[in-house]
Amino acid sequence: DAKTTQPPSMDCAEGRAANLPCNHSTISGNEYVYWYRQIHSQGPQYIIHGLKNNETNEMASLIITEDRKSSTLILPHATLRDTAVYYCIVRVPWGGGSQGNLIFGKGTKLSVKP
Amino acid sequence: DGGITQSPKYLFRKEGQNVTLSCEQNLNHDAMYWYRQDPGQGLRLIYYSQIVNDFQKGDIAEGYSVSREKKESFPLTVTSAQKNPTAFYLCASKPQGTTNEKLFFGSGTQLSVL
Repeated sequence: DAKTTQPPSMDCAEGRAANLPCNHSTISGNEYVYWYRQIHSQGPQYIIHGLKNNETNEMASLIITEDRKSSTLILPHATLRDTAVYYCIVRVPWGGGSQGNLIFGKGTKLSVKP
Repeated sequence: DGGITQSPKYLFRKEGQNVTLSCEQNLNHDAMYWYRQDPGQGLRLIYYSQIVNDFQKGDIAEGYSVSREKKESFPLTVTSAQKNPTAFYLCASKPQGTTNEKLFFGSGTQLSVL
């Protein structure tokens, strides 16, 4: 699975958009980009995933560059409850012949401030 | 409500003692996982199981054991051979045979050594 690079920490003002970047320059053509977040002392929570098109759901938007070497997770109106560690993961889907697990790195610690 | 339940929330181990962490899910998921998380670090895979009566070692299986006698249950035993067991342990599950790597996590067990 391709490796990802994320900034260790970011701040965001409450009510503003939080834009979390992720670099995955070695991503291969059949690897998806997944985002999870982990609020302190809880289990990680799935946010969103995508292959090459931009995706949006009730939690966030995922913007993937055309060359797929980087992506940005956007929380449109950050609240204090969005303070968490955000993990960017790239992976071949289960049915793509790869076995095993999602690799969670250290992620980005997002602090939303009043 | 459907979900994945870990117990206990906090657990203490004495020297030379084996302890077992419980993980139960009622999501009818085939695959289940155990991760270990140390402070400020990402998640590392201990063991995973894709189907009942079958499981595979992850990246840090030494000092741990698992069983998968029922689809709903995937207990983890931390043996006395694990010399540094203090960590946050997370259990996760997902349906088999899907290209969506959406993992569902429990709320975790914090294990400490007395």
